[in-house]
Amino acid sequence: EIVMTQSPATLSVSPGERATLSCRASQSVNTNLAWYQQKPGQAPRLLIYAAFTRATGIPARFSGSGSGTEFTLTISSLQSEDFAIYYCQQYHDWPPLTFGGGTKVEI
Amino acid sequence: EVALVESGGGLVQPGRSLRLSCAASGFTFDDYAMHWVRQAPGRGLEWVSGLSWNSGRIGYADSVKGRFAISRDNARNSLYLQMDSLRIEDTALYYCVKDMDQLPLFLDSWGQGTLVAVSS
Repeated sequence: EIVMTQSPATLSVSPGERATLSCRASQSVNTNLAWYQQKPGQAPRLLIYAAFTRATGIPARFSGSGSGTEFTLTISSLQSEDFAIYYCQQYHDWPPLTFGGGTKVEI
Repeated sequence: EVALVESGGGLVQPGRSLRLSCAASGFTFDDYAMHWVRQAPGRGLEWVSGLSWNSGRIGYADSVKGRFAISRDNARNSLYLQMDSLRIEDTALYYCVKDMDQLPLFLDSWGQGTLVAVSS
């Protein structure tokens, strides 16, 4: 099983600032990596797949990068609606699909 | 618009069974893999099970293997999860999730979830 590790667990930023979230895989997943956003009381939403491709309707301020075992989600200028928990997920090796533990982005 | 509506959750004693259902609409159901993902209260996301568009490939998390069974009825646009021998640690919100591909990859549309509580 591929283990996904996210850091930091919590990221405190101010609106308008840049946020950088990290995700590490225990072995290479090439670019088979997705990112999700989850707001309180809501289901998760797909943000990024194939490591850097934005899903439909996702603003350009969200960008993904990386390959192999190291990945980054960057939010270029945080808006109030971006404060949420972000999860990475690998789909290189299945089953199982595996998620990271999440990064909470807070004010 | 994609809609996924889960049902079948509830309060159940340890060792008992539940069957979750998911009614899908707004897309060609039999073109896509489908999954169940759960989230325990205050915890992160855990993939439970998934199957390909034609049920030719099925997978389970180790935590549920041998106890849960996923299935789909493409004629009814429905996904199911039969959960047997339930444990307290199975308590969670269970999401029905659509994949972006015929084979299990990543999860592009989520339902609102159905709550399963296992307690004596």
